[in-house]
Amino acid sequence: EAGVAQSPRYKIIEKRQSVAFWCNPISGHATLYWYQQILGQGPKLLIQFQNNGVVDDSQLPKDRFSAERLKGVDSTLKIQPAKLEDSAVYLCASSFGGTLNTGELFFGEGSRLTVL
Amino acid sequence: AQKVTQAQTEISVVEKEDVTLDCVYETRDTTYYLFWYKQPPSGELVFLIRRNSFDEQNEISGRYSWNFQKSTSSFNFTITASQVVDSAVYFCALHNYGQNFVFGPGTRLSVLP
Repeated sequence: EAGVAQSPRYKIIEKRQSVAFWCNPISGHATLYWYQQILGQGPKLLIQFQNNGVVDDSQLPKDRFSAERLKGVDSTLKIQPAKLEDSAVYLCASSFGGTLNTGELFFGEGSRLTVL
Repeated sequence: AQKVTQAQTEISVVEKEDVTLDCVYETRDTTYYLFWYKQPPSGELVFLIRRNSFDEQNEISGRYSWNFQKSTSSFNFTITASQVVDSAVYFCALHNYGQNFVFGPGTRLSVLP
């Protein structure tokens, strides 16, 4: 079974530029999450989708971050314009169920962003 | 409020030593789930175990064992006879039913040959 796919693995940009990350969850997983992991910290949830609807985006900095999952399968996370403090690993995860799901999350390898 | 604390930032051990990673959690809910994930240098978080709040039975899986104590709100993880391949960052996470996962800050384990 294919795991969670993410691209690109690495991205270096200058501040005020834009960047986009792509995620394809495990087939059949209804819920998709984007997490931000700053160096030395645990993952922090940015946004959660259930199929193509947003369940929780309370911690998403909406002035610069946006995310979509138009067809309820793959998803794109965009940052525009980027700030230095956005340097982090952006992890995508999926699960079979939603917040009522008690199973584990399956993670991709992440996209490492460096903002100069 | 939900919170997970992993007081050990970094641990170094020599191969074949036993090591315990501590996890303390805070929640007001009676139904919740605790997890441990391993994050090797490749970056992908790998699921290790899930435990629900009604099951305090300890679990052993090969060289790994977990000690869940509701009285102290702890869910500690022990690796017996550590190996170099165990070197990684380990995260404890709390999932309250109907809410999102909350991760601890992680413990970086280095197993030296």
